Amino acid sequence: KQEVTQIPAALSVPEGENLVLNCSFTDSAIYNLQWFRQDPGKGLTSLLLIQSSQREQTSGRLNASLDKSSGRSTLYIAASQPGDSATYLCAVQGRSQFYFGTGTSLTVIP
Amino acid sequence: NAGVTQTPKFRVLKTGQSMTLLCAQDMNHEYMYWYRQDPGMGLRLIHYSVGEGTTAKGEVPDGYNVSRLKKQNFLLGLESAAPSQTSVYFCASSQTGYDGYTFGSGTRLTVV
Repeated sequence: KQEVTQIPAALSVPEGENLVLNCSFTDSAIYNLQWFRQDPGKGLTSLLLIQSSQREQTSGRLNASLDKSSGRSTLYIAASQPGDSATYLCAVQGRSQFYFGTGTSLTVIP
Repeated sequence: NAGVTQTPKFRVLKTGQSMTLLCAQDMNHEYMYWYRQDPGMGLRLIHYSVGEGTTAKGEVPDGYNVSRLKKQNFLLGLESAAPSQTSVYFCASSQTGYDGYTFGSGTRLTVV
């Protein structure tokens, strides 16, 4: 069974800092990887989707990379803002479903 | 364009009661999923559907039933609710199953 791990579980940074969130997975036979954002008490908002043939995807201040062979992905957030405070979830797609990590709770301090 | 809509948003049930959660999507997606989210455990797949009239079991299907009579709707039923089913339930949809998920806003269910 695919296992997805996100480290750290929580992260607190001052506004303006660049930061990296990590995601690792045990089975490299994935179709794609998706990063989500979840605000407290809310649903999941898709940030970036990386197909298995891709190495990275960018959207605004966000950049996600994928290294299938090593079972790792990173989400890079540039120039963090207080509005970036949320939980970030990594999900990898297997044969019939996505497998989710437990998330990194990010707090950006003004 | 509403995307994925879940009803109700909140519900409190007594042990043994039954209820149905509704998920509706207006994107003409083929694939639909029900997940539950519990603290420290991430999201776990309950049931899913690859098209109208089809359903399949996920990782944690016990105590739940589903139906997909119309392409746009995916219903999750609890026949006899138990406190262990207290959770936040999320519905998601996907066009091909490999193009990423769109999630609903969730249903917070408490079983007392």
